[in-house]
This record gives sequence, structure tokens and C-alpha cells, in this order.
Amino acid sequence: AQSVAQPEDQVNVAEGNPLTVKCTYSVSGNPYLFWYVQYPNRGLQFLLKYITGDNLVKGSYGFEAEFNKSQTSFHLKKPSALVSDSALYFCAVRDPRGTGGFKTIFGAGTRLFVKA
Amino acid sequence: DTAVSQTPKYLVTQMGNDKSIKCEQNLGHDTMYWYKQDSKKFLKIMFSYNNKELIINETVPNRFSPKSPDKAHLNLHINSLELGDSAVYFCASSQEVIYNEQFFGPGTRLTVL
Repeated sequence: AQSVAQPEDQVNVAEGNPLTVKCTYSVSGNPYLFWYVQYPNRGLQFLLKYITGDNLVKGSYGFEAEFNKSQTSFHLKKPSALVSDSALYFCAVRDPRGTGGFKTIFGAGTRLFVKA
Repeated sequence: DTAVSQTPKYLVTQMGNDKSIKCEQNLGHDTMYWYKQDSKKFLKIMFSYNNKELIINETVPNRFSPKSPDKAHLNLHINSLELGDSAVYFCASSQEVIYNEQFFGPGTRLTVL
């Protein structure tokens, strides 16, 4: 069964410092991996995804993620954090279903707090 | 233009009541979803419709009944509401290819008293 783990409930970083939000996955085939961000009282917003090809994926708002097949990881990164990056971040994997339809499995979320 | 919209945004009701949440997307997507986000922010899929056909039906009490009158709309009706139904319910849509991302609505916060 597909699964996603976000080992940190919260990540604290100072503004201007690099940030990393960790994600590991378990899939039976090719991984299709996603990062979403949720601001307070809002729906999730798509940040970036890995399908195939280059292991470094660039996304919205200066975020990027590195796919590492040997470590089954897909960590989210940003070179310089902003206070406005403070939000809840979800890693997700898509699960191909034999009966049709693709179920998205979300991690538990990691709260990022960027201090000014 | 709102891509995925939900109504109402807030819903406060008594136990035992029946309520509905509506969702509409104007992105031309062929697949829509309902998710439940609990108080710990854990997000779990409930249902998915592709071109008005139910394709994902997770382990959800049968008090929850989705309906898709057309591929731009997906409604969620909940009968005999219970305290444990209190959560934020998100609608989402996508064009159904495995590598496509989903677009989420703003959520409906349901509080059952």
C-alpha cells in the first residue's frame, strides 16, 4: 500500500535561512509526488510535483523539492525563508487504482513557522 | 474568478439534522473529490467522481451521500449528523491523469452541536 510520512510536526526557521520540510514515501510502482500548502482557513494550494526526469523540481513561491529514489524521499526546500511562508505543508502521493480513479494519499502535514 | 467554490463556508447545526454542502468548479475538469480534514489537520479522501460516475468511495458512513448532477458540480448530503462529523470538508477537482495536481475549494467548516 502507498504511504507518505512527514516525520516532523513542526519546523521552525529564522527568516532568511534555508528551510527543509521532510517527506518519505512508500509506493509499489513509479512515484508521483506532490507538495501542497495550506494557509489558515484556506484550501490546499498546489506547490510542485515530481513525475519523472530531473530529480530537482522547482515550484511556486521559490520552493523546490528533491526526489531521492534510493532514500525514497521528496523533501521540500527553499533557499531563503520568508515569514509569509509560515503555513501547513502536505506531501502527497498518487495511488493508481486498478478499478479506475487515482487516490491521493496525504501525509499528516508539517507546520512551518518562520520567525522574523 | 473562483476556480473551485463551496457553499456554505460555515455550517453550524444540531445533532440529528440533515445538511448539504455544494461544490462547483469552473476549470473544466472531469473529476471532483470530497475530503474531510479533522481537528488535527489530517486529510482523508471520502469520495471521487469522474464524469458524474462514482470512482472512489472510501470507508465512509452511509449517512454521507455524494451527488454529481454534472461534471462541474459535486454535492455532499449528510443525514443524521453526529458530533464526530464536525470537521472541515474540502471539495477538489482535477483533470484525471495520475500526475495531475488537484485544485481545492476554500472548505466548509461543519460544527455539530
